[in-house]
Amino acid sequence: DAGVTQSPTHLIKTRGQQVTLRCSPKSGHDTVSWYQQALGQGPQFIFQYYEEEERQRGNFPDRFSGHQYPNYSSELNVNALLLGDSALYLCASSLRFRGLIFGPGTRLTVL
Amino acid sequence: EDKVVQSPLSLVVHEGDTVTLNCSYEVTNFRSLLWYKQEKKAPTFLFMLTSSGIEKKSGRLSSILDKKELFSILNITATQTGDSAVYLCAVESGGSNYKLTFGKGTLLTVNP
Repeated sequence: DAGVTQSPTHLIKTRGQQVTLRCSPKSGHDTVSWYQQALGQGPQFIFQYYEEEERQRGNFPDRFSGHQYPNYSSELNVNALLLGDSALYLCASSLRFRGLIFGPGTRLTVL
Repeated sequence: EDKVVQSPLSLVVHEGDTVTLNCSYEVTNFRSLLWYKQEKKAPTFLFMLTSSGIEKKSGRLSSILDKKELFSILNITATQTGDSAVYLCAVESGGSNYKLTFGKGTLLTVNP
């Protein structure tokens, strides 16, 4: 079992660009949650997807959007990147909403 | 707004020492409190606590929850250099949907 996988591992973008991060959940899991972890901070909840719908959203602007596919994989899109968007983006999967398993994360650097 | 506060933010100890990490919280619709260890990237699960006063143990690590005073502690005895990591406390809350609110973490450094 590969667990939760994320791609890419690292990414460098410039301000104003758009980025798409991808996540494949652990086998048997149907819910995907995304978290942003800035340096020296705990992870901050962005949003959660279940049955291809956004079920909950944290305090993030509309520049952050997502999608969940029928195979439960998910994407996180960020538009109009700002320097402050530089962070580790963690995907976590679960069965329904509990028992989160985290992926290794994508390190995004915005220059 | 849900809030989780961890202390201390960082801690340096010598191998063999015992450490206590603290976590206090204010959330609506509390479900459980979780502890994670984060070494490089993905946080790895340590404990889930739902009931007050019941200690969870795993080897040299143990944790307990006080739902009346709204805090939890994580103890590590006989620390080893491999215990060096960020320890994250998170509270699970919500009605029909769940979410985790994390604290900032405690950076533990264990020196030989």
